Amino acid sequence: EVQLVESGGGLVQPGGSLRLSCAASGFTFINYYMTWVRQAPGKGLEWVASIKQAGSDKYYVDSVKGRFTISRDNARNSLYLQMNSLRAEDTAIYYCARGVTTYDYCGQGTLVTVSS
Amino acid sequence: DAVMTQSPLSLPVTLGQPASISCRSSQSLVHSDGNTYLNWFQQRPGQSPRRLIYKVSNRDSGVPDRFSGSGSGTDFTLKISRVEAEDVGVYYCMQGTHWPRTFGQGTKVEIK
Repeated sequence: EVQLVESGGGLVQPGGSLRLSCAASGFTFINYYMTWVRQAPGKGLEWVASIKQAGSDKYYVDSVKGRFTISRDNARNSLYLQMNSLRAEDTAIYYCARGVTTYDYCGQGTLVTVSS
Repeated sequence: DAVMTQSPLSLPVTLGQPASISCRSSQSLVHSDGNTYLNWFQQRPGQSPRRLIYKVSNRDSGVPDRFSGSGSGTDFTLKISRVEAEDVGVYYCMQGTHWPRTFGQGTKVEIK
């Protein structure tokens, strides 16, 4: 059974940093692009970043470029999102998803709240 | 960016009646590999998104056959042939052809 379990969310002050993790199981992790999608409270879904299988290619939405870094550890079957210079508008549930042109599995999400 | 525009944004439906959601892209979603990467997701209250349809019309395993997707190029539709109580939630279209990936605003389906 495919499982994606996010962790690392929490309350952080504006300008602060946070590192999200996603533990993957039930499939061959190295075979798949992986993606982060977020959802601000009461709002719609927004694609954040994607990373290719070997980690060589990375893609970001403009609003997080230069602040967020997506990475993966294929030996640990894990996906990460390093978030720096956080802003109030980054407050959202962050979902880990499998895929690049489509997302066939999503985790339950981890809540990031940016507030003083 | 490929802007995805859904309509309507709110859809009250009577149980057992059909429902239809439109999704229009500002750009053709035909990829250079020939595929059209248009997906539909369902998000029930308090849950994470669940994929229903991929590549326009392919239904995911376990998705009831009352859900169907159609369309081409820039215009796409999700249809529910007979709405059931468990279909309440928000439905999103999403394109996976162009960078950045983009979602529609979401359509909230509720029971009248």
